[in-house]
Amino acid sequence: DGGITQSPKYLFRKEGQNVTLSCEQNLNHDAMYWYRQDPGQGLRLIYYSQIVNDFQKGDIAEGYSVSREKKESFPLTVTSAQKNPTAFYLCASSIDREGLQTQYFGPGTRLLVL
Amino acid sequence: KNEVEQSPQNLTAQEGEFITINCSYSVGISALHWLQQHPGGGIVSLFMLSSGKKKHGRLIATINIQEKHSSLHITASHPRDSAVYICAVEDYGGSQGNLIFGKGTKLSVKP
Repeated sequence: DGGITQSPKYLFRKEGQNVTLSCEQNLNHDAMYWYRQDPGQGLRLIYYSQIVNDFQKGDIAEGYSVSREKKESFPLTVTSAQKNPTAFYLCASSIDREGLQTQYFGPGTRLLVL
Repeated sequence: KNEVEQSPQNLTAQEGEFITINCSYSVGISALHWLQQHPGGGIVSLFMLSSGKKKHGRLIATINIQEKHSSLHITASHPRDSAVYICAVEDYGGSQGNLIFGKGTKLSVKP
């Protein structure tokens, strides 16, 4: 079945450690996205990539880094520079259908920094 | 001011009730999405609208482009409809595919 995989579902890290969240899709979508969700707030865009080997900062990119070496994969690294990393992270991919983008979301990873 | 506003923020209903969730936006859009997020966190895309009305089962979504407003209706609500419903818009002037999200409406349907 086609879809988006994020792993793990829960991730625990000590403060000051870098951590990488994985996102894999087998939908053959060109565009991929990382969002962060905090309680009481809408999803906020961290980074996005419209094509392999290219990515752009979203609204809250500070303290995060990404890579897009393969079409299927868009890992997100939460660095020690991110002041408040505990959050729910959602990965998405999208395809252009008649000029409109349809986004598909992964199941999410909840990161807890202790 | 948020570009996408949802109301109400929280909604509690009895099983069987007709439910309406509203979304207003302030930007020009190319499409509007209604998403459902279950307590475990996973998000499912319910509808993508650029005009008119769409229906899927007990769910109906409408959009009025002139008034910059959309509604999501649930008929004959059921406890399994309990979730957070999120409105998101594709900004016509923004980067292709980037969405602007509302804060969500938390729906709880009691048996």
